[in-house]
Amino acid sequence: DAGVIQSPRHEVTEMGQEVTLRCKPISGHDYLFWYRQTMMRGLELLIYFNNNVPIDDSGMPEDRFSAKMPNASFSTLKIQPSEPRDSAVYFCASSLGKKETQYFGPGTRLLVL
Amino acid sequence: QKEVEQDPGPLSVPEGAIVSLNCTYSNSAFQYFMWYRQYSRKGPELLMYTYSSGNKEDGRFTAQVDKSSKYISLFIRDSQPSDSATYLCATSRTSYDKVIFGPGTSLSVIP
Repeated sequence: DAGVIQSPRHEVTEMGQEVTLRCKPISGHDYLFWYRQTMMRGLELLIYFNNNVPIDDSGMPEDRFSAKMPNASFSTLKIQPSEPRDSAVYFCASSLGKKETQYFGPGTRLLVL
Repeated sequence: QKEVEQDPGPLSVPEGAIVSLNCTYSNSAFQYFMWYRQYSRKGPELLMYTYSSGNKEDGRFTAQVDKSSKYISLFIRDSQPSDSATYLCATSRTSYDKVIFGPGTSLSVIP
């Protein structure tokens, strides 16, 4: 299995631009999670989906952040407009059944200038 | 108070040493406890998970949970340079609740 796939791996953009992060979960997994990791705040859960339906988006910091999962094999996290404080590593993870067994992707390193 | 706390380190030990990594948590309702390992510039990977109190052993790794003191430990025996990574403890109330991660402890095992 290829594991969780994320793209792009690195993104550098200017403040105010739209950023779209992409994730392909492990085939057959029914949970998908988006996390953000920074030195200051550690790993934070932003939103998670079960069977393509958003279950808990309480971790999404602001309305500038949105996430979609149009099908079982694809999800996006969009930031519009982006700000320098959004700079972080964004991870996607997926799991089958029990939520504690999450498999993480390699992450997208986002730098907003 | 953060829900899960860890000493960020860095912790540096010689190869072959026994390593003890620790976490404390605040919510007595937490029942599931996990340790993730994260290599530099990689995503976290699940190392071990336990339910409720007690010990769980997997090769050189032992996870220990003391719910009475809200204390979680990970012991690494015969540490190797390949164990150099950041170790994140994590917990949840049930298998269907969201997982809360600690900030991680950075470990370096020196050859």
